[in-house]
Amino acid sequence: SQKIEQNSEALNIQEGKTATLTCNYTNYSPAYLQWYRQDPGRGPVFLLLIRENEKEKRKERLKVTFDTTLKQSLFHITASQPADSATYLCALDTSGGGADGLTFGKGTHLIIQP
Amino acid sequence: DAGVIQSPRHEVTEMGQEVTLRCKPISGHDYLFWYRQTMMRGLELLIYFNNNVPIDDSGMPEDRFSAKMPNASFSTLKIQPSEPRDSAVYFCATTGQSTDTQYFGPGTRLTVL
Repeated sequence: SQKIEQNSEALNIQEGKTATLTCNYTNYSPAYLQWYRQDPGRGPVFLLLIRENEKEKRKERLKVTFDTTLKQSLFHITASQPADSATYLCALDTSGGGADGLTFGKGTHLIIQP
Repeated sequence: DAGVIQSPRHEVTEMGQEVTLRCKPISGHDYLFWYRQTMMRGLELLIYFNNNVPIDDSGMPEDRFSAKMPNASFSTLKIQPSEPRDSAVYFCATTGQSTDTQYFGPGTRLTVL
């Protein structure tokens, strides 16, 4: 069966360190993978998208890698800050255009300790 | 643009009542998605529309759920009759031809007693 797995437990990181979140999937062939941030009481907000033919994508302090052989994406936040504390969701799209809706993992709750 | 607008933000109702959730998409976005989020199941796609036409409703849990998009500016998700297990946060999201990302509304928190 198709499955997307993210760290189910909260991830506690010291301020200034790099936070690394994992997204593993099985029985999907995603055209691309997206990462979203969700704060309590709010809808998910798009952060980064990486396509199946890309290995790495960066945006400011964020970096995403995508290994289609391992079926895994890693999401890194460097020089983490307490304001980065939130739930981070990975989402798979198999259509290549967002046109079929996204399949989301359950998210990882990240806590950056001052 | 104000982004995706959803109403109401909170809804508390009793079992058996009809519930209608509303969504106004971002102007120019021709795809609209309804998702449901619970602690147990995470964020799940219920149904999506393209140019106001329902494309895939395979995620709609039961016949008690129905969704419409009468025009490009408005969509509704209706639950009739509602049950306690329908309690969740319901999100509307939209996207357009020129973007691969989805823009989510603030959600409607539904509590069915």
